[in-house]
Amino acid sequence: AQSVTQLDSQVPVFEEAPVELRCNYSSSVSVYLFWYVQYPNQGLQLLLKYLSGSTLVKGINGFEAEFNKSQTSFHLRKPSVHISDTAEYFCAVTNTGFQKLVFGTGTRLLVSP
Amino acid sequence: GAGVSQSPSNKVTEKGKDVELRCDPISGHTALYWYRQSLGQGLEFLIYFQGNSAPDKSGLPSDRFSAERTGGSVSTLTIQRTQQEDSAVYLCASTTGPTRESPLHFGNGTRLTVT
Repeated sequence: AQSVTQLDSQVPVFEEAPVELRCNYSSSVSVYLFWYVQYPNQGLQLLLKYLSGSTLVKGINGFEAEFNKSQTSFHLRKPSVHISDTAEYFCAVTNTGFQKLVFGTGTRLLVSP
Repeated sequence: GAGVSQSPSNKVTEKGKDVELRCDPISGHTALYWYRQSLGQGLEFLIYFQGNSAPDKSGLPSDRFSAERTGGSVSTLTIQRTQQEDSAVYLCASTTGPTRESPLHFGNGTRLTVT
């Protein structure tokens, strides 16, 4: 069965600084990886996804993530964060069976001025 | 267009009572998920419906939890004999098909508080 681990429960960062949110996955088969974002008092929405092809994927709001098969990671990055990026970020995985999407425990990104 | 609708938005119940949570998916979406979001627990998968296939119930935490989807549309999650540890936000999501092809569209959730 697949799973994802988000080691950082909370990441504080100053505005305009770079940020990396870590995600490691575990699966015995080919995987598809996703990052979802939940802004305060809003529902979750898709940020970006890796299905195949280029290992560097770009999403909304300037975020990008890199799929690294050897390290079983899919870390999320942004070179310069804004106050409005304050939210909870969830990494998720599914496999070729597409039977369910498994989420990590989430990382709360706190951007301060 | 209309998104995923969940009702009620908030529910307070006494321990031992049964509750029903409702989800109206986006029209035409064949796949429907229930997740539970608790502080520090992230999003816990509960159950997955895909078309007319048998649902994947592997995430239901106990036999007090059950869910059904009528007519391939509306879904109801029922929790019998609620316990305090059932307090959480219950999220419903729907999608047009395999998750790699289309993202999950989430509702705003039902916040359940068991007193």
